[in-house]
Amino acid sequence: GDSVTQMEGPVTLSEEAFLTINCTYTATGYPSLFWYVQYPGEGLQLLLKATKADDKGSNKGFEATYRKETTSFHLEKGSVQVSDSAVYFCARGSGSSNTGKLIFGQGTTLQVKP
Amino acid sequence: DAGVTQSPTHLIKTRGQHVTLRCSPISGHKSVSWYQQVLGQGPQFIFQYYEKEERGRGNFPDRFSARQFPNYSSELNVNALLLGDSALYLCASSLGQISYEQYFGPGTRLTVT
Repeated sequence: GDSVTQMEGPVTLSEEAFLTINCTYTATGYPSLFWYVQYPGEGLQLLLKATKADDKGSNKGFEATYRKETTSFHLEKGSVQVSDSAVYFCARGSGSSNTGKLIFGQGTTLQVKP
Repeated sequence: DAGVTQSPTHLIKTRGQHVTLRCSPISGHKSVSWYQQVLGQGPQFIFQYYEKEERGRGNFPDRFSARQFPNYSSELNVNALLLGDSALYLCASSLGQISYEQYFGPGTRLTVT
């Protein structure tokens, strides 16, 4: 079935380090792709999205490019801050014609140390 | 603008009891979806309601049910609670039926003992 796979965490980085969190998906067709972030004690917030192949989503210094050849949507940031510490979820739209169901990966915890 | 609100914030129930969780969407949003997030995992889709009708159902037993009211708020009901139902229950609202850009509430933490 349709699924999303993320790299295992936790990822621990020093402030100003480069971040990559890998995400791959299985798909029939070309689903919309998303990154959500969950800060401690809070719900999920949409970080960025891409709706078609080669689209680049970006927000708050984070970027991810929709790669249909590799079915990937890796999250990157050039210089992380302590405030970026959170759990990051990759997700895809279900592709259904009658529901906006999202399919999530298992999440990757990012810890940024000063 | 108010975001998605959920109540209660936390809840402790005993096995076999039932529970009702509530969600109010962002003003103007007509779709509400429910997700279950077990500790350490990603959210799993339970239901979507749009214009007061069920539009999608995830792989959950019939003990789970939901409804949407004329003001687009929603309730999630779970009967005959099991220990495995302990989770964070998230509500998300969106404008349309097929809108994947969803806005999540803070969730209700349910603990079943």
